[in-house]
Amino acid sequence: GGIITQTPKFLIGQEGQKLTLKCQQNFNHDTMYWYRQDSGKGLRLIYYSITENDLQKGDLSEGYDASREKKSSFSLTVTSAQKNEMAVFLCASSIEGDWGDEQYFGPGTRLTVL
Amino acid sequence: QQKVQQSPESLIVPEGGMASLNCTSSDRNVDYFWWYRQHSGKSPKMLMSIFSNGEKEEGRFTVHLNKASLHTSLHIRDSQPSDSALYLCAANYAQGLTFGLGTRVSVFP
Repeated sequence: GGIITQTPKFLIGQEGQKLTLKCQQNFNHDTMYWYRQDSGKGLRLIYYSITENDLQKGDLSEGYDASREKKSSFSLTVTSAQKNEMAVFLCASSIEGDWGDEQYFGPGTRLTVL
Repeated sequence: QQKVQQSPESLIVPEGGMASLNCTSSDRNVDYFWWYRQHSGKSPKMLMSIFSNGEKEEGRFTVHLNKASLHTSLHIRDSQPSDSALYLCAANYAQGLTFGLGTRVSVFP
């Protein structure tokens, strides 16, 4: 088995602030993902990475940057936090980049912007 | 328009009853359908996947797929209070996995 760790668990930011979320996995999975979930609704893909130093944009990439520093870690940056924004950011990983592979999710980072 | 559409939005089921959830893709270029379950405050966990026409059963959970109509359904029999959760359907396209908005299931004793 393995585990996905996300830090921080809660993140409070100010409007216009640049905020960074981190994700680590010890599954030794090749592919990692960042999703955003609003109000307990569906997930929207922000970025994914099929290997170290690779980045692919999802449907919701505008306003975000990502970085895959090494195989086990994937960071997401909110480039300019929007006032009253509230969402949960979920990191996930899968064995390869084949979308038929099961994705395993981390516990999430809950963002609140004041 | 939502590419993966789920219905109903919410469902209340008595304990021991049957819950039926639906999911349809508006894009024909789909290979797999996934069902994930997310308990309140937790992360989603994969429940079942299906990619060929027909039915797949695992315990109390049954998934159907009709590829011609791009429709999948999840059925939970003998529903338990622990089945209360948000059920997310996802479909994979060439450009990635797309999730629906979910069906919130509440099972009452």
